Amino acid sequence: GENVEQHPSTLSVQEGDSAVIKCTYSDSASNYFPWYKQELGKRPQLIIDIRSNVGEKKDQRIAVTLNKTAKHFSLHITETQPEDSAVYFCAARGRNAGNMLTFGGGTRLMVKP
Amino acid sequence: SAVISQKPSRDICQRGTSLTIQCQVDSQVTMMFWYRQQPGQSLTLIATANQGSEATYESGFVIDKFPISRPNLTFSTLTVSNMSPEDSSIYLCSVEFLETQYFGPGTRLLVL
Repeated sequence: GENVEQHPSTLSVQEGDSAVIKCTYSDSASNYFPWYKQELGKRPQLIIDIRSNVGEKKDQRIAVTLNKTAKHFSLHITETQPEDSAVYFCAARGRNAGNMLTFGGGTRLMVKP
Repeated sequence: SAVISQKPSRDICQRGTSLTIQCQVDSQVTMMFWYRQQPGQSLTLIATANQGSEATYESGFVIDKFPISRPNLTFSTLTVSNMSPEDSSIYLCSVEFLETQYFGPGTRLLVL
């Protein structure tokens, strides 16, 4: 089955700096890669996703890049703000996985004002 | 997006008892899932709730411990049976809607 590794597990940045979180996946058939943000005590919320037919997607301060050859994808947050502080999860879904997502271990991002 | 509600939002239970968690979504969806999230951990899929047939369980989870119902396309229940303190966790319902997966607010369970 699919295996998703996420790094780093914790990340501390100064407000205004950029943050990058990286994930690798094992199943070359995976074709959908969402990112979720989970604030303390809240549900995971989808913030951006990318499908295997594109290499990059951007939404304001957030971007995701995908390298299918290397089987890794990354989340980039620019001009970080204190409200970006949360746990971020990457996930991957394979074509043969019955629509199931496999999640990475999560990254706790702390943005210091 | 799909709007998902769960009941109860939290509960404290005695060991050996069972708790049923309800999940309601505002749109008809084919795929509904149940996840467990232990404190500070990632999301672990328990099972896929199939409408009209038995749920499909992931490795390490069994029907006797986590029976699931899916009577229609907008509702599902997860029961945590014969609870022990190790079952203390957050249980999340999730649905796939228009190729995107959404999560319910979760049920925070504490077993004493």
